[in-house]
Amino acid sequence: EVQLVESGGGLVQPGGSLRLSCAASGFTFSSYWMSWVRQAPGKGLEWVANIKQDGSEKYYVDSVKGRFTISRDNAKNSLYLQMNSLRAEDTAVYYCARDVGGYSSGWLDYWGQGTLVTVSS
Amino acid sequence: SYVLTQPPSVSVAPGKTARITCGGNNIGSKSVHWYQQKPGQAPVLVIYYDSDRPSGIPERFSGSNSGNTATLTISRVEAGDEADYYCQVWDSSSDRYVFGTGTKVTVL
Repeated sequence: EVQLVESGGGLVQPGGSLRLSCAASGFTFSSYWMSWVRQAPGKGLEWVANIKQDGSEKYYVDSVKGRFTISRDNAKNSLYLQMNSLRAEDTAVYYCARDVGGYSSGWLDYWGQGTLVTVSS
Repeated sequence: SYVLTQPPSVSVAPGKTARITCGGNNIGSKSVHWYQQKPGQAPVLVIYYDSDRPSGIPERFSGSNSGNTATLTISRVEAGDEADYYCQVWDSSSDRYVFGTGTKVTVL
């Protein structure tokens, strides 16, 4: 059974940093692209970033470029999102998702339950 | 940037058919995927590659895509289908996934 479990969310002040983790199990992690998607309270889904199987390609939504970094450790079956210079508008539930295709017509077939990030003073 | 437009809400009686549209410029040339999200839960993939169903998704869910509109159709609607639905594509011009604005389906 595919499982994705996010952790690392919490309350952080504007300008602060946070590192999210996603522990994957039930599939060959190193064979899949992976994505982060977020959802602000009461709002729709927004894709944040994704990363290729070997980490050689990464893509980001414009609003987080230069502030967020996606990475992975295939030996630990883990996905990460380093978030720096956080803003109030980054407040959201962050989901990790298995990414089928990752580039050009890809989709997200399994999702974690999400971790809440709140940016507030 | 590429924009996907969905109606904010669709209401349907039990047993009837719900159709949720997803509009985008020449979306028929892209592969469209659909997600269902119930309150407090993570999204679930219900349609990929325009019209394919993942295992475990009822045949009542179907999809189509042509021209400037993709459509998710839910036949014989049940109370359990009440949820938010999102379409999604990959936008090659900006190298990013794009989600639609979302549609809340209410079962009357």
